Amino acid sequence: DIQMTQSPASLSASLGETVTIECLASEDIYDILAWYQQKPGKSPQLLIYDASSLHTGVPSRFSGSGSGTQYSLKINSLQPEDFASYYCQNGLSAPLTFGSGTKLEIK
Amino acid sequence: EVQLVESGGGLVQPGRSLKLSCAASGFTFSDYNMAWVRQAPTKGLEWVASISYGGSNTHYGDSVKGRFTISRDNAKSTLYLQMDSLRSEDTATYYCARPSSGGYWYFDFWGPGTMVTVSS
Repeated sequence: DIQMTQSPASLSASLGETVTIECLASEDIYDILAWYQQKPGKSPQLLIYDASSLHTGVPSRFSGSGSGTQYSLKINSLQPEDFASYYCQNGLSAPLTFGSGTKLEIK
Repeated sequence: EVQLVESGGGLVQPGRSLKLSCAASGFTFSDYNMAWVRQAPTKGLEWVASISYGGSNTHYGDSVKGRFTISRDNAKSTLYLQMDSLRSEDTATYYCARPSSGGYWYFDFWGPGTMVTVSS
């Protein structure tokens, strides 16, 4: 089974800063990777698919990159609404594993 | 507008059963694979089960295999999750999720979730 190791578990940053979240797959997932944002009490929202494609309506300050087993989510110029939890996910095949999550907090 | 609405959650004793439903609207339900994803209180997301658009192919996470059954009724545009032999560690919010149409399992629509609490 494919394991997804996400880091860091938590991150503290200021408005306007740029942050990066990493996700490591236990084997090659051929860029079939998604990133989600989840706010407290809400359902997750798709941000990025195919490792680097921006989902409809997602601001361009979000970007994804990577290949093979290593992937990252970058958020430029942090806005107040970006402080949330983020998850990566293997979208290739079952089990459709999620990373353990990164909680982004305001400094 | 795509809508997914889960129901059937609640408080249940360990060892008992519960059946969740997810009513879908705003899209042709029978054209899409579907899945259940859960989230224990203060924890991360965990994929539970998925089913193909016709219902013939199902997959389960190791933690629920042999206890949970995913199914669908395309005539009623409804997804189900039958949960048997429930354990305290099954306590979570259960989300119904629809993958996008591109062929991979990217969940572009989620329901609001239904809470399941397993406790005596």
